[in-house]
Amino acid sequence: EAQVTQNPRYLITVTGKKLTVTCSQNMNHEYMSWYRQDPGLGLRQIYYSMNVEVTDKGDVPEGYKVSRKEKRNFPLILESPSPNQTSLYFCASKGILQGYYEQYFGPGTRLTVT
Amino acid sequence: RKEVEQDPGPFNVPEGATVAFNCTYSNSASQSFFWYRQDCRKEPKLLMSVYSSGNEDGRFTAQLNRASQYISLLIRDSKLSDSATYLCVIYHSTGAQKLVFGQGTRLTINP
Repeated sequence: EAQVTQNPRYLITVTGKKLTVTCSQNMNHEYMSWYRQDPGLGLRQIYYSMNVEVTDKGDVPEGYKVSRKEKRNFPLILESPSPNQTSLYFCASKGILQGYYEQYFGPGTRLTVT
Repeated sequence: RKEVEQDPGPFNVPEGATVAFNCTYSNSASQSFFWYRQDCRKEPKLLMSVYSSGNEDGRFTAQLNRASQYISLLIRDSKLSDSATYLCVIYHSTGAQKLVFGQGTRLTINP
């Protein structure tokens, strides 16, 4: 089954404690990205990657890092989380379906930073 | 001004009603358009692409007006299972190749 997986699904942590949210896709997609979703603001792109070892900032990259050492994995790293990073995070990968791009989302990670 | 604007709702309509949402976008270079559906606390899922000539998928009809820069979604004979948030999405195939999301319109179908 084609899917994007994320772990953990729920995380409560404290300010300053480094954390990593993993993301993996099994569709051999080159393009992957991370979004955060906040009430009234919709989904905003944090970082994206067009291929292995190629990453770039999205609209809200501050406080986040990513890496893309393998095609299937695209972890999101918060080196020193702060309360304003409390949000719902989605990983996504993009591929072509019947000639058009379709973006597949992971199930989401709900992060609370206290 | 947000690049994609939607009326956040909420819209509460009776089962069987027809409901329509509009979405406007500001970047005239936007190339592809989509409607995504998001259920509460779940990931967004593609509902349908929006083609220049308009397109229909069962009870759902999508329209694109490039001159006025808006996209619409019409749901006929609404079902309880249509209750969700509907996200208007545009895609730029150049640069970051990213999807830009509206904040979503929340729809509740009442029995």
